[in-house]
Amino acid sequence: TQLLEQSPQFLSIQEGENLTVYCNSSSVFSSLQWYRQEPGEGPVLLVTVVTGGEVKKLKRLTFQFGDARKDSSLHITAAQPGDTGLYLCAGGRTGTASKLTFGTGTRLQVTL
Amino acid sequence: GAVVSQHPSWVICKSGTSVKIECRSLDFQATTMFWYRQFPKQSLMLMATSNEGSKATYEQGVEKDKFLINHASLTLSTLTVTSAHPEDSSFYICSARAAGARSTDTQYFGPGTRLTVL
Repeated sequence: TQLLEQSPQFLSIQEGENLTVYCNSSSVFSSLQWYRQEPGEGPVLLVTVVTGGEVKKLKRLTFQFGDARKDSSLHITAAQPGDTGLYLCAGGRTGTASKLTFGTGTRLQVTL
Repeated sequence: GAVVSQHPSWVICKSGTSVKIECRSLDFQATTMFWYRQFPKQSLMLMATSNEGSKATYEQGVEKDKFLINHASLTLSTLTVTSAHPEDSSFYICSARAAGARSTDTQYFGPGTRLTVL
């Protein structure tokens, strides 16, 4: 059972456009992480959020953790071709030996 | 810092053979390592949690006798796919959590191993 649903599954946009990726669950998580993965490589951590309502910014990327800690969003401003990749959210729960539950993934393609 | 390596990066084997994949934390000690598999265009699915010096904990539906995990030291965990078959072909990724880290702390991921079983 996939506990974290991401939307959209696939997104193709032009350079300069803005986009938002959503990560939703019916379960509460103690932490939520966002990763970017390129083909043939492991995921690379972008951010960790742990507090409900928390907003973190990483250059053109803005991450938000929902107030109830069941959902999160990733907003990219002025997308660039270098942002192309598979974006994965992953939720962690206390008392589960740090196991992460990964979302279904959003594949982003940014073209010139 | 916090680099995790995997070896080999890719492997092709014949059906029925066994394949060992190594996961090493290069500059930190990892009491806990995780093994994931990822099919094309899909997300990561946790296979098992590996704790140093103890037996691995497998996720539901993962055969422990087929996917042997050993975590003999604080910097090395191995995954052996025994009697591999074409359906075992996948991208296997490990991650490591630093010793003493809190439950919300980061897992550091390896670069993955592409297994192709002919």
